[in-house]
Amino acid sequence: QVQLVESGGGLVKPGGSLRLSCAASGFTFSDYYMTWIRQAPGKGLEWVSFISSSNTYANYADSVKGRFTISRDNARNSLYLQMNNLRDEDTALYFCARGVSSFDWLDPWGQGTLVTVSS
Amino acid sequence: DIQMTQSPSSLSASVGDRVTITCRASQSISTYLNWYQQKPGKAPNLLIYAASTLQTGVPSRFSGSGSGTDFTLTISSLQPEDFATYYCQQTSITPRTFGQGTKVEIK
Repeated sequence: QVQLVESGGGLVKPGGSLRLSCAASGFTFSDYYMTWIRQAPGKGLEWVSFISSSNTYANYADSVKGRFTISRDNARNSLYLQMNNLRDEDTALYFCARGVSSFDWLDPWGQGTLVTVSS
Repeated sequence: DIQMTQSPSSLSASVGDRVTITCRASQSISTYLNWYQQKPGKAPNLLIYAASTLQTGVPSRFSGSGSGTDFTLTISSLQPEDFATYYCQQTSITPRTFGQGTKVEIK
């Protein structure tokens, strides 16, 4: 079945870096846009970034632009999020999700990986 | 950026009630509007895409409507498993913004 599994979260100090991964299975990964979404503790969903199927186009939320970089390896069926210069407000559960069709609805989502930024 | 405003932010309802949640976009998004359900401790789950198309496997008591700037999610007869938080998301332009969520609680 279609499955997404995130990893790489953890505790990091402000100003530090972390790289999240999302392993995809059960579908042709290279055919789909992929998206990162985050959810701060007790808060709503925030769209973070997406990347095109061929790795040629990406877009970011203003809150992470210049600090986060999305990438993918279609040969490894994997999506990544490199997070640099982390801030307290980046503390959140980070989900990856598959974007479907030109309407880009998100289905399915992974279970999330928790990033905690704290000194 | 397009702002998505859901109302209400929370509601209390009883099993069997008809529930309507509204999502308003700050500018026209045609039908580039999706609805997700999230239960505590779980990832969100797609309910409706392109404003009114029910995702496979989602019960028919859920329905969506609207276009342009105003959209609704309706649950025709609330069931115990429907108590959750619901989010709308626009995918017309980037950034692909979400509404703030509507928490549906048991009365």
